Amino acid sequence: QKEVEQNSGPLSVPEGAIASLNCTYSDRGSQSFFWYRQYSGKSPELIMSIYSNGDKEDGRFTAQLNKASQYVSLLIRDSQPSDSATYLCAVIGDAGNMLTFGGGTRLMVKP
Amino acid sequence: GAVVSQHPSRVICKSGTSVKIECRSLDFQATTMFWYRQFPKKSLMLMATSNEGSKATYEQGVEKDKFLINHASLTLSTLTVTSAHPEDSSFYICSARETGGVREQYFGPGTRLTVT
Repeated sequence: QKEVEQNSGPLSVPEGAIASLNCTYSDRGSQSFFWYRQYSGKSPELIMSIYSNGDKEDGRFTAQLNKASQYVSLLIRDSQPSDSATYLCAVIGDAGNMLTFGGGTRLMVKP
Repeated sequence: GAVVSQHPSRVICKSGTSVKIECRSLDFQATTMFWYRQFPKKSLMLMATSNEGSKATYEQGVEKDKFLINHASLTLSTLTVTSAHPEDSSFYICSARETGGVREQYFGPGTRLTVT
């Protein structure tokens, strides 16, 4: 069973702080990693993709990938109340075509 | 990013009727589209993978005769919930991946189905 694990939260951070969201995966051959944001009652929105070890930055978001540790994270700098949502980690395994999702981490940014 | 639309956004139907949901990729061609279902406060559950011009691949436990999928063109896939029952009430979301090796997958806005 290929798994993607996330802490369900809620993760509560004050406005302006850095939010750190973590994800581990079991399929060592996975090559593609994604972070989606899902507001309550809405569909997921792709915010970051990362394929190589290291950091990838896009605005206030930084994705970090460590394939040796099978770990991917998302940092949100200068967190805003509008960032409050569930963040889904998703992985495409080496044999597959489909996304495997983690259960999501609920982030709450308090003003 | 690429845009995926779904129609309708909300539908209420009576038990025993069928409902068709459309998923369109608006600015790209998608050989592969995916259909998910999500119950309140639960994770996304993949129902099936839809491939243009061929039969859909259903996940274990998903009845292919109840959830009919057609992917007749590179920009349109449809999901028909046949003989709907109240337990089919859920949030149905499609996603699409652009043809040609692109790995990003974009989601439509979802369709909220209520069966009375």
